[in-house]
Amino acid sequence: EVQLVESGGGLVQPGRSLRLSCAASGFTFDDYAMHWVRQAPGKGLEWVSGISWHTSSIGYADSVKGRFTISRDNANNSLYLQMNSLRAEDTALYYCAKGGVIMTSGFDPWGQGTLVTVSS
Amino acid sequence: DIQMTQSPSSLSASVGDRVTITCRASQSISNDLNWYQQKPGKAPKLLIYAASSLQSGVPSRFSGSGSGTDFTLTISGLQPEDFATYYCQQSYSTLLTFGGGTKVEIK
Repeated sequence: EVQLVESGGGLVQPGRSLRLSCAASGFTFDDYAMHWVRQAPGKGLEWVSGISWHTSSIGYADSVKGRFTISRDNANNSLYLQMNSLRAEDTALYYCAKGGVIMTSGFDPWGQGTLVTVSS
Repeated sequence: DIQMTQSPSSLSASVGDRVTITCRASQSISNDLNWYQQKPGKAPKLLIYAASSLQSGVPSRFSGSGSGTDFTLTISGLQPEDFATYYCQQSYSTLLTFGGGTKVEIK
């Protein structure tokens, strides 16, 4: 069974940093692209960032470009999101999602999410 | 960026109804369109990929159609467990984007 477990969320002050992690199991991690998607409270879904299996292709939403960095450790089946210069509008539930063999594909499955709250 | 516009933003329907949700892309995306279902407090679930392919395990009452810029998700015979929010997502561009969502509520 494919499992994705996010961690690292919490309460952080504006301007500070946070690193999210996603532990993957149940599939050959280094065969698939991986993504972060977020959902602000009561709002819709927003794709944040994605990384190809070989890390040569990486993409970011305009809203986080230059502040967030996605990375992966294929040896340890883990995905990361380094979030710097956090803003109140980054407050959201952050989901890790398994992509396809290529970057441009659907997300299945998703983890249960980790909540990031940016507030002073 | 490719903008995805869903309509309606919400709808009320009864069990057994046929429900149609539309999604329009700001430019042609071929058939690179996926549909998700999200229930309150739960992670989204992939229903349809490549515009019309049913994800494994998804009931056959769900179907998708369209190509280019206009797409449709149809639920034929709405069931109690189908009351949820539905999102479309384009996977044509490496800057992946979602529609704003359609909440399906009980009439």
